[in-house]
Amino acid sequence: DAKTTQPNSMESNEEEPVHLPCNHSTISGTDYIHWYRQLPSQGPEYVIHGLTSNVNNRMASLAIAEDRKSSTLILHRATLRDAAVYYCILRDEWDDGNNRLAFGKGNQVVVIP
Amino acid sequence: DVKVTQSSRYLVKRTGEKVFLECVQDMDHENMFWYRQDPGLGLRLIYFSYDVKMKEKGDIPEGYSVSREKKERFSLILESASTNQTSMYLCASRETGAGYTFGSGTRLTVV
Repeated sequence: DAKTTQPNSMESNEEEPVHLPCNHSTISGTDYIHWYRQLPSQGPEYVIHGLTSNVNNRMASLAIAEDRKSSTLILHRATLRDAAVYYCILRDEWDDGNNRLAFGKGNQVVVIP
Repeated sequence: DVKVTQSSRYLVKRTGEKVFLECVQDMDHENMFWYRQDPGLGLRLIYFSYDVKMKEKGDIPEGYSVSREKKERFSLILESASTNQTSMYLCASRETGAGYTFGSGTRLTVV
């Protein structure tokens, strides 16, 4: 599986936007970029995913670089409930046999009131 | 809202006991999964199922078995619990091509 690189941790002020970077320089043409987050004592939660175009949903936006070697998850207005570990993951959606979600260490986001 | 429900949040069992972890999803998803999560090791896939009565081994199936008699329910069985199976167990389901929905997890301690 292609690997991703994220910062170990980040801080953000409440009510300000948060930009979470992810590098994936070995991404293949059929890899989708997925983001999950895990709040303390909870299971991971799906946030967003995309292939080439930028994506928006009610939780966040995903900005994908033109060469697809990096992406940025954008939380438009951080709240205390957004404090979590955020995981950037690549998945080949054409490979039905690849059901493993390769979670790395993720990016611990701290929101400061 | 769609849901994956795990029957217990916390469980303490004795070494050698047979342990059942239950997971139910209400989304009519075909695919269901059992992972364990340990500090420094991330999520590791134990077993998954892509249909009723179908199961596939994941990366660490030893010491575990699974059962999927109905589409909505996927059970993880520890045949004879050991202390190295102390972990957070996460159940997930997904529709093919979509994101995963995880349960809240079961923190199992084997003493």
